Amino acid sequence: SFELTQPPSVSVSPGQTANIPCSGDKLGDKYACWYQQKPGQSPVLVIYQDTKRPSGIPERFSGSNSGNTATLTINGTQAVDEADYYCQAWDNSNFYVFGPGTKVTVL
Amino acid sequence: QLQLQESGPGLVKPSGTLSLTCTVSGDSFSSSTYFWGWIRQPPGKGLESIGSVYYSGRTYYNPSLKSRVIMSMDTSKNQFSLRLSSVTAADTAVYYCTRQYCSGDDCYNDYWGQGTLVTVSS
Repeated sequence: SFELTQPPSVSVSPGQTANIPCSGDKLGDKYACWYQQKPGQSPVLVIYQDTKRPSGIPERFSGSNSGNTATLTINGTQAVDEADYYCQAWDNSNFYVFGPGTKVTVL
Repeated sequence: QLQLQESGPGLVKPSGTLSLTCTVSGDSFSSSTYFWGWIRQPPGKGLESIGSVYYSGRTYYNPSLKSRVIMSMDTSKNQFSLRLSSVTAADTAVYYCTRQYCSGDDCYNDYWGQGTLVTVSS
C-alpha cells in the first residue's frame, strides 16, 4: 500500500525558513496537499495541488513536489506557525492517505 | 461561509455501532463539485481518512475500514452520516466531517468541522 513519510519534528528560528519534507513512491506523479493543525483545533488546508494556497493563507507558505518528495516551505517563520503539519496524497487503491505529521517548533 | 457541525453520542460500548451526523450550512449541499467526508484522529496521534460520499450517493471508503463503514447523505436536511460497526477501543478518536474537492488524484479537504470526541468504553 502507498505510504507517506515525514520527519517527526522540525525546529526553526524565528524569521528563518522551515522545510518540511513528505516522501512517497513516485509522489511527484500525484498531487500533494498540506494541512496545519494547532493544539485543540481542526486542521486547516494550507497548500493544495502541490503549490496553490487557499484564500487567507499567508504568502510565506509555499509548496513543491518532484520525484519522491513533496515539500512545504515556510519562509520567515513566525511563532504563530508552530503547529503539526500533515501531507496528504491519493493512493492507487482509490483513496487518499495522510503522512504521520511533523511538529514544527519555532525556537 | 460554509460551516460543518458533527453530532452524535460521545460514548459507545465495545462491539457496538458508532453513529455520527454532520450538518452542513452556508453552501449548496447538492453541488456536484464536492464530496463530503469523515476523518478521524486518535488522541495524540495523526489523521486517518475514513470515507467520502458524493451527492449521488456514491461512496469511497478507506480499505482498512471498508468492512465496517457505511456513509450516507440526506440532502433534504443538508446532512451526511457515518456508521462504524463492531467498534473497539482503537476506534476512540476525534471524528471530523469535511468538504472534499476530488478530481482524479487531486483530492483535498478544504472545510472541516470542529470535531467530536467519541470514546469506546464499557
